[in-house]
Amino acid sequence: KAGVTQTPRYLIKTRGQQVTLSCSPISGHRSVSWYQQTPGQGLQFLFEYFSETQRNKGNFPGRFSGRQFSNSRSEMNVSTLELGDSALYLCASSLVLQGSYGYTFGSGTRLTVV
Amino acid sequence: AQSVTQLDSHVSVSEGTPVLLRCNYSSSYSPSLFWYVQHPNKGLQLLLKYTSAATLVKGINGFEAEFKKSETSFHLTKPSAHMSDAAEYFCVVSDNNQGGKLIFGQGTELSVKP
Repeated sequence: KAGVTQTPRYLIKTRGQQVTLSCSPISGHRSVSWYQQTPGQGLQFLFEYFSETQRNKGNFPGRFSGRQFSNSRSEMNVSTLELGDSALYLCASSLVLQGSYGYTFGSGTRLTVV
Repeated sequence: AQSVTQLDSHVSVSEGTPVLLRCNYSSSYSPSLFWYVQHPNKGLQLLLKYTSAATLVKGINGFEAEFKKSETSFHLTKPSAHMSDAAEYFCVVSDNNQGGKLIFGQGTELSVKP
């Protein structure tokens, strides 16, 4: 069974641009969460979607947004990119909202802002 | 608020010797706890999870962890380290009051010497 698929794997963008990252969860999983990983801040929660609705949001500015489609695929968007947005962005999927069965992570999208 | 503290940022062991990665958690109620592993340039892989069943949890690749409520600890162990175990390990608590968002420790880098 296919795992969590994130595209693209690598991205280089310029300050001020915007970017869209994509995540396809494991078939049947309805919860998709996004995390940002940086050397300084570690892994931080961005937001979680379940049944096309944002259920929870972390402490990130409004430049970070996301959505989930009816097939559970999710996208996150970052507008007006800043150098500090350079990070590994990880998507995780779970069968249920609270993830008590555990989350399955994708390999991530590495975003570099120059 | 829930939190996790990984007591060692780096642990070095010799191949064939035991591994101990320490984690303390803070939670106002019975938590869901996880250990994840991240190999270089890869996503996160679930090693094991505790969700209030048996206190000794067995995971993949010979790892196990013991939930000790009195000590608020969830240490990860393996009897005999293998070179392929070299990676970064994250202790994680699920904040079930906020839709199950994951709160990550800062990580422990495990080195395995031949």
